[in-house]
Amino acid sequence: GQQVMQIPQYQHVQEGEDFTTYCNSSTTLSNIQWYKQRPGGHPVFLIQLVKSGEVKKQKRLTFQFGEAKKNSSLHITATQTTDVGTYFCAANYGGSQGNLIFGKGTKLSVKP
Amino acid sequence: DAGVIQSPRHEVTEMGQEVTLRCKPISGHNSLFWYRQTMMRGLELLIYFNNNVPIDDSGMPEDRFSAKMPNASFSTLKIQPSEPRDSAVYFCASSRTVLEAFFGQGTRLTVV
Repeated sequence: GQQVMQIPQYQHVQEGEDFTTYCNSSTTLSNIQWYKQRPGGHPVFLIQLVKSGEVKKQKRLTFQFGEAKKNSSLHITATQTTDVGTYFCAANYGGSQGNLIFGKGTKLSVKP
Repeated sequence: DAGVIQSPRHEVTEMGQEVTLRCKPISGHNSLFWYRQTMMRGLELLIYFNNNVPIDDSGMPEDRFSAKMPNASFSTLKIQPSEPRDSAVYFCASSRTVLEAFFGQGTRLTVV
């Protein structure tokens, strides 16, 4: 079945350091979404990328969609303790399939 | 809108018993997803409905699992008979097709 690979699985950083998580698909995506799940919570939508090469920013978060629409990244600049949680990418393959396939997620811990 | 509503929030049951999880999606959303989350396997898509019709059920583990969506405002996920390995957090999410998914609070299922 369709799957999207996400790395790394875990990332431990010192507060103030940067953080990046990557998603890769073997097939072209229609769009990709990013979600954040706080410990004990549920995934919450962050952003959707649709266009080839698209870059979007939300304060300290930068999201990129690859030119071939097969990979994506989320970069956090100068992490804060409030960034703690698991970050998921979710792939949509388009066509008649509107389902969302989630990556395994990257669990971020931030040491103050 | 109250968001996606799942019930119960917690369920503890004995092996062999039938378990029914319930979901009320956001009004106006035409896509509904059931996910299972465990530490080992991450967030797995079990089944995806569009306009109340099951589109992709390839993630349903086995015949013990079944899901229904009798109308646009209600869905159930049933496990019969339940087994300890079914213990997980089950999320329901809804969306307008291809747009962001809104997750419920989840049902934490423990099968003893």
